[in-house]
Amino acid sequence: NAGVTQTPKFQVLKTGQSMTLQCAQDMNHNSMYWYRQDPGMGLRLIYYSASEGTTDKGEVPNGYNVSRLNKREFSLRLESAAPSQTSVYFCASSDGFGGGYGYTFGSGTRLTVV
Amino acid sequence: TQLLEQSPQFLSIQEGENLTVYCNSSSVFSSLQWYRQEPGEGPVLLVTVVTGGEVKKLKRLTFQFGDARKDSSLHITAAQPGDTGLYLCAGRYSNAGGTSYGKLTFGQGTILTVHP
Repeated sequence: NAGVTQTPKFQVLKTGQSMTLQCAQDMNHNSMYWYRQDPGMGLRLIYYSASEGTTDKGEVPNGYNVSRLNKREFSLRLESAAPSQTSVYFCASSDGFGGGYGYTFGSGTRLTVV
Repeated sequence: TQLLEQSPQFLSIQEGENLTVYCNSSSVFSSLQWYRQEPGEGPVLLVTVVTGGEVKKLKRLTFQFGDARKDSSLHITAAQPGDTGLYLCAGRYSNAGGTSYGKLTFGQGTILTVHP
């Protein structure tokens, strides 16, 4: 019963470096999401994938790209990290998109950009 | 961008006290959810409400959805130290035609601390 698994759990990057955050879910969910969480800002949607083969921008997509590799996996890439991208990143999944479907979250990746 | 406002932002109480957290918006929700998050972990879904006026209970937690589906509240009775955490409301908005936008929008959260 792993649910949503995120790797890595912690990461320190230098400005300008790139990295990919990995996310995998084992619940056969159709929809997956990437959020960032900053103090006082709640959770803000970066990108989402309503179903396998589709991806769309969320509220704060600038500086990020995503890939829905298959139904299980949804990765988030930072091409050139900036200090403003220091945050906690959460991946989530849901069985459907819309309606009353709840999200299952991973335990997060704590990223620091120096 | 639709805003979903939670209040209060911080709440520090003694064990045994009651408390209420509020979640408000100027737009209509098609559904609303409450999550609880502990330090170092992701949010965990507590409840989903979809009908205006709906009340759901989860042990000592009572969730209410406003009649107009623009607001919600979470009431905790006889709080315990184990209730400590960040409480988040999240809503799916409806447009004028009633079609859900699909994506969840989260409030800023309420940090609850219950002292023994």
